[in-house]
Amino acid sequence: GAVVSQHPSRVICKSGTSVKIECRSLDFQATTMFWYRQFPKQSLMLMATSNEGSKATYEQGVEKDKFLINHASLTLSTLTVTSAHPEDSSFYICSALTTAYEQYFGPGTRLTVT
Amino acid sequence: SQQGEEDPQALSIQEGENATMNCSYKTSINNLQWYRQNSGRGLVHLILIRSNEREKHSGRLRVTLDTSKKSSSLLITASRAADTASYFCATDAFPQGAQKLVFGQGTRLTINP
Repeated sequence: GAVVSQHPSRVICKSGTSVKIECRSLDFQATTMFWYRQFPKQSLMLMATSNEGSKATYEQGVEKDKFLINHASLTLSTLTVTSAHPEDSSFYICSALTTAYEQYFGPGTRLTVT
Repeated sequence: SQQGEEDPQALSIQEGENATMNCSYKTSINNLQWYRQNSGRGLVHLILIRSNEREKHSGRLRVTLDTSKKSSSLLITASRAADTASYFCATDAFPQGAQKLVFGQGTRLTINP
């Protein structure tokens, strides 16, 4: 199946700093990628839809100025958590959409803000 | 918002037994997908069933879809310890092209050796 990677897999940062997470589709091109957030023992919550060459679409309640998304190429989307705070600590997962409308997920990034 | 509800929330069975998980949803869909997630890891795509399909098989997995009841089930036969994971159903919003997935709350499956 299609492979999606995320980098880094784990990151610890201090409160007030910014963190960038990369999502790459390794063997296919994806005009659409998605960013999810998952709290412990909970399901995935969609944060935003990332579209190559255009602005991301954010879900209700997600601050677009805090969670910056850039989909600069057909294989790369980045999520930047700006001015991170401890409540931003979570598991962030991206997915990429194939032309067959299947979503393949990255392995996730564990963000801890101290 | 979460439109999927999964039942049961947790399931613990003996190795070799069959495991059945159910998923209900609220709106019309194009497709329903099942995913597996090992603790602290990403999601693994298991199977996709389209709205015009009623049953689909993949190895030890059997998925059914009843659009009249807005429900789906995932059956894992002859379970193994390695099947221990959380299982999520996900539906995409209608009409075609939205492609945003809405996940159920998940079922935590534990296979006891």
